[in-house]
Amino acid sequence: DGGITQSPKYLFRKEGQNVTLSCEQNLNHDAMYWYRQDPGQGLRLIYYSQIVNDFQKGDIAEGYSVSREKKESFPLTVTSAQKNPTAFYLCASSAYYTGELFFGEGSRLTVL
Amino acid sequence: KNEVEQSPQNLTAQEGEFITINCSYSVGISALHWLQQHPGGGIVSLFMLSSGKKKHGRLIATINIQEKHSSLHITASHPRDSAVYICAVRETSGSRLTFGEGTQLTVNP
Repeated sequence: DGGITQSPKYLFRKEGQNVTLSCEQNLNHDAMYWYRQDPGQGLRLIYYSQIVNDFQKGDIAEGYSVSREKKESFPLTVTSAQKNPTAFYLCASSAYYTGELFFGEGSRLTVL
Repeated sequence: KNEVEQSPQNLTAQEGEFITINCSYSVGISALHWLQQHPGGGIVSLFMLSSGKKKHGRLIATINIQEKHSSLHITASHPRDSAVYICAVRETSGSRLTFGEGTQLTVNP
């Protein structure tokens, strides 16, 4: 079945460590997105990519980095420069022509 | 002011009631999505609309492009409908999505 897989589902990190969240899709979607969600708040865009080897900053890109070396994969690195990284992270993908939109199950990052 | 406004923020209903959640937006859009987020956090897309009305089971979504307004209706609500419902618009200018802050729906038995 087609879909988006995020891993890990839960992650604990010490302050000062970088951590990478994985997002893989087998839907052949062109666009992929990373969002951050804090308790009681809406989704905020971190980065998005419309094609391989290209990506754009979203509204809260500081302290994060991404890569898009393959169409299927869009990993997000939360760096030590991100001042408040504890949050729920969601990856999504969409098809350019149909606009269909899929989300992963999310990754919950806690910084100890 | 947010570009996408949802109302109400919170909604509590009794099982069987008819529910309406509203979404207003201020930008030009190519499509509007209604999404459902369950307590575990995962999000599923319920509808994508660019005009008119769509129905899936007990869920109905409508959009009025001229008034920049969409509604999500749930008929014969059930406790399993309890979730956060999110409106998201795809702007005509590109691939970005803009999200409302969500409506927390609780349906009591």
